Amino acid sequence: SYELTQPPSVSVSPGQTASIPCSGEKLGDKNACWYQQKPGQSPVLVIYQDRKRPSGIPERFSGSNSGNTATLTISGTQAMDEADYYCQAWDSSTAVVFGGGTKLTV
Amino acid sequence: QLQLQESGPGLVKPSETLSLTCSVSGGSISSSSYYWGWIRQPPGKGLEWIGSIYYSGGTYYNPSLKSRVTISGDTSKNQFSLNVRSVTAADTAVYYCARGIGAAQPLDYWGQGTLVTVSS
Repeated sequence: SYELTQPPSVSVSPGQTASIPCSGEKLGDKNACWYQQKPGQSPVLVIYQDRKRPSGIPERFSGSNSGNTATLTISGTQAMDEADYYCQAWDSSTAVVFGGGTKLTV
Repeated sequence: QLQLQESGPGLVKPSETLSLTCSVSGGSISSSSYYWGWIRQPPGKGLEWIGSIYYSGGTYYNPSLKSRVTISGDTSKNQFSLNVRSVTAADTAVYYCARGIGAAQPLDYWGQGTLVTVSS
């Protein structure tokens, strides 16, 4: 079955750039997306199709995907960005698959 | 604005069947190109995709749960449902319903989630 791997935690200082990686075999050949989840809330889609932002998502959120790694980048990180972040992709063997999640500490 | 709302029992006994319904408003589950999915999150843990139903009625399941799960849709009520059979404590989780777009199924609208506890 297909698996996506994320680091358990990432720390960043306010105003700096946070990068959260997500790795999977030939992930660059698939469409990756990212979700933000704050405590007690439902996940929110922040990036889809590797690099597109849904309406209402701040421009400081961006994504990339190449080779075996997709990356969520948050520029000028703010305290409100502190949350859990999950990557997700679709694979023919597993259909929808989520990464294990990364806790971003600002 | 599309809204999804989960409903069902908050407590299920071991070995019984967990049944949840997702009511959709502001859009139709028959709209082309959309998937309607179930995702769960055990307390303090990550997200796990359970399965999805396509607008045309086709279903897709997580291979690890496929033998115990059924997802169905009721277009007359604009709802879709989840059944998980033979539950154990490991099925205790917050269960979310969500809408997915296109083949890669990024999930753009989510319900608020409902906690289901498996306990005698």
